[in-house]
Amino acid sequence: DQQVKQNSPSLSVQEGRISILNCDYTNSMFDYFLWYKKYPAEGPTFLISISSIKDKNEDGRFTVFLNKSAKHLSLHIVPSQPGDSAVYFCAAREGRDDKIIFGKGTRLHILP
Amino acid sequence: EPEVTQTPSHQVTQMGQEVILRCVPISNHLYFYWYRQILGQKVEFLVSFYNNEISEKSEIFDDQFSVERPDGSNFTLKIRSTKLEDSAMYFCASSRRVTNTEAFFGQGTRLTVV
Repeated sequence: DQQVKQNSPSLSVQEGRISILNCDYTNSMFDYFLWYKKYPAEGPTFLISISSIKDKNEDGRFTVFLNKSAKHLSLHIVPSQPGDSAVYFCAAREGRDDKIIFGKGTRLHILP
Repeated sequence: EPEVTQTPSHQVTQMGQEVILRCVPISNHLYFYWYRQILGQKVEFLVSFYNNEISEKSEIFDDQFSVERPDGSNFTLKIRSTKLEDSAMYFCASSRRVTNTEAFFGQGTRLTVV
């Protein structure tokens, strides 16, 4: 039962362009969404989050958009840089639950 | 910058043996977690720990698993009798859970059960 879905296993983007990573969810009780970035042989690193009461959150080159009616969120990276090549995990939390539920991840390749 | 540290980075053990995976969370964090990622699969929640007790656990976290915060700084995951399917990357995480909900992850321990 995939409550958090990342349907694109990989994505290639030219350096300097915009990277858009998508995520869908099924549980309407999720109240907080997070994006993590993971390099090989390292643990996931928190990038940015958004509360379900907002529709946009921006932090530097990273912006997360939330469309609650569509149960969809996206991470935009502008401009994309070589160091952005990594696996990106979408994650969500339900109410007062302690656990974070992760998607399967999308591998982003930034092309020179 | 404070970070979550995990030891060892790689542990090889024989099936049926007990293993203890160790973690040092960020010092002012109050909530602690273990996650695992089987090769090629998604990161899965195992257990959360707060105020010296388990606050939530997943179906994966059966009687073979236990967690402990023995000395106020370490946070350990014990698997009593390892199975082949326990082979995975195990991530420890911690969070403050006061004004934010992001958890900071360690670099992981790769457990290989042979």
